[in-house]
Amino acid sequence: EVQLVESGGGLVQPGGSLRLSCAASGFTFSSYWMHWVRQAPGKGLLWVSRINNGGSATMYAGSVKGRFTMSRDNTKNMLYLHMNSLRADDTATYFCVRDPSGVGRLDHWGQGALVTVSS
Amino acid sequence: QSVLTQPPSLSGAPGQSVTISCTGSSSNIGAGFAVLWYQQLPGVAPILLIYDSTNRPSGVPDRFSGSKSDTSASLAITGLQPEDEADYYCQSYDSRLTSFVFGSGTTITVL
Repeated sequence: EVQLVESGGGLVQPGGSLRLSCAASGFTFSSYWMHWVRQAPGKGLLWVSRINNGGSATMYAGSVKGRFTMSRDNTKNMLYLHMNSLRADDTATYFCVRDPSGVGRLDHWGQGALVTVSS
Repeated sequence: QSVLTQPPSLSGAPGQSVTISCTGSSSNIGAGFAVLWYQQLPGVAPILLIYDSTNRPSGVPDRFSGSKSDTSASLAITGLQPEDEADYYCQSYDSRLTSFVFGSGTTITVL
């Protein structure tokens, strides 16, 4: 069974940093591209970032470019999102999502991790 | 503001049909990029309903169907059931933004 389990969410002050992790199991992690998608409370879905299966290429939404860094460790089946210079509008549930081919077919989603940016 | 526009809400009685529209532009749907649809039940993560505009993953009932024309796409739900009450999102890629984009979301209510 495919499982994606996010962790590392919590309360952080504006301007602070946080690292989200996603533990993958039940599939060959190194064969899949991965994404982060977020959802502010009561709002819609917003794509955040994508990484290729080997970890050598990343892409980011304009609103997080230069502040967020996505990475992966295929030896540990782990995905990461390093978030710096956090703002109040980054407050959201962050989902770790699997993509078989990198073209945005988001076929399995984690349960999400809540990040709250507030003083 | 989403680059893919959906109606905020639709409703229908059990057994009826509803169609959700997703209106884009020449830089996303009109450019030939795939359209996908997701269902998000209250309080849980989204699930993939339709990919490549018209294809259903295994396990998705054939009551759900997708179509695409020019700069728009649609998700049709036939034979509405109470468990179809959820938020539905379309998704594509935008070449001007160089970003994946989601629609604004549509809440389906089964009366």
